[in-house]
Order: sequence, then C-alpha cells, then structure tokens
Amino acid sequence: DVKVTQSSRYLVKRTGEKVFLECVQDMDHENMFWYRQDPGLGLRLIYFSYDVKMKEKGDIPEGYSVSREKKERFSLILESASTNQTSMYLCASSGRNSGANVLTFGAGSRLTVL
Amino acid sequence: GDSVTQMEGPVTLSEEAFLTINCTYTATGYPSLFWYVQYPGEGLQLLLKATKADDKGSNKGFEATYRKETTSFHLEKGSVQVSDSAVYFCALSGPIGGTSYGKLTFGQGTILTVHP
Repeated sequence: DVKVTQSSRYLVKRTGEKVFLECVQDMDHENMFWYRQDPGLGLRLIYFSYDVKMKEKGDIPEGYSVSREKKERFSLILESASTNQTSMYLCASSGRNSGANVLTFGAGSRLTVL
Repeated sequence: GDSVTQMEGPVTLSEEAFLTINCTYTATGYPSLFWYVQYPGEGLQLLLKATKADDKGSNKGFEATYRKETTSFHLEKGSVQVSDSAVYFCALSGPIGGTSYGKLTFGQGTILTVHP
C-alpha cells in the first residue's frame, strides 16, 4: 500500500524553538506539498516542491522554510516557533502529468506551541 | 486568485438520510474539481473528482457533477451511514499544463456527523 509517512503525530514545543517536521513518501512521486489545516480555514498551502532541491512558496510561507535533499523526503522547518503556528500540518505527494493533481496525504502532525 | 467556498457546517443527519454539501468555486479557465474526505485521526483521501464540465464523479455512493454554468460541484449521497461521519473538503486544481496544475486550493471543510 502506498504511503506518505509523517514522522511525528503529536509535538509540543516552546516559543522560539526550532521545529522540524519530516515527511517521507514511497511512491517515487515528483511533487510534494506541505499544508496547514485549521478549523474554519480548511487547508492552506505553505510550500511545495516539484523536484529534488527545488521549492516554491505557497499561500502562507511566512515563518516556514523547507528542504528537499532527496526525492522521497520533504521537511518543513519552523525556525523560531510561535504560538500562532499551533496547528495540524499535512504533507502530501503526487506524481507527474495526469496524476499530478491527485494528492496522497499523510496522517498529519499536530503541533502545539506553548 | 482561485477560491473554493463550502456550505457552513457542521451537518448532522440520521442514518439513511439524503446528504448534500454545497461547493462553489472561483477560478480562471477550466479547473479540475475534487472532493476529499478526512476520517477521524487520518489524513485526507480522495473521494471523487471531475475534470471537465458536466462530468460526474462518483465513489462509495457519493456523487458530484461539475457545473460550469453555476461554478458548482455539490456533493450528494442518497442514504448516509454512520461510517460516513467525517470532514469533507471540496478542492480545485488548475487545468493540465497551467501554472497552477497540481496545486490544490481547498474549501474550509464541512463536518458531517451521522447518527444511528
């Protein structure tokens, strides 16, 4: 069964800490995405990547950065966590061409910043 | 820019009731349209999709028709079950070959609870 695996389901961090959220997919997908999910706001795109070492800003990139050193791994980094970054973070991936707009999601990482 | 608007929730139904969740969109060109479902404690999974006007997507008894004239993609099911309790998201993606292809824009989600 194909999978997108997010390393941490629940994290609690303190304001100002550096936070790494890891995502790995085993489908050889080219495209990977990080979304943030908040009640009443749906999913908002933070960053995405169409290839190794490539990244593009989504709709809400402020306060975040990403890294894609290997095709299967896409990391989201919060350089200095703040309380307004408390949220559910969802990683997703998709293939090329006609499959590019069908996303496979991970189970999510719920981050609480105190 | 592109946007998706879903009906406000939560929606509470009895088992075997008829379900409609409204979804309208704003986009340039001819986007592809999707419904994703998120069961408790899980990530989102694709429920159905439609890629051109008048297409009907269907899966697990759910249906939605791509209506270009009303820019809508309403989700329907004739008889809901307790197991359908979840959060439902409407989404769109730009057309194939466009700059926004593969980047999905989501609505705010609708919580559905079905009681026995």
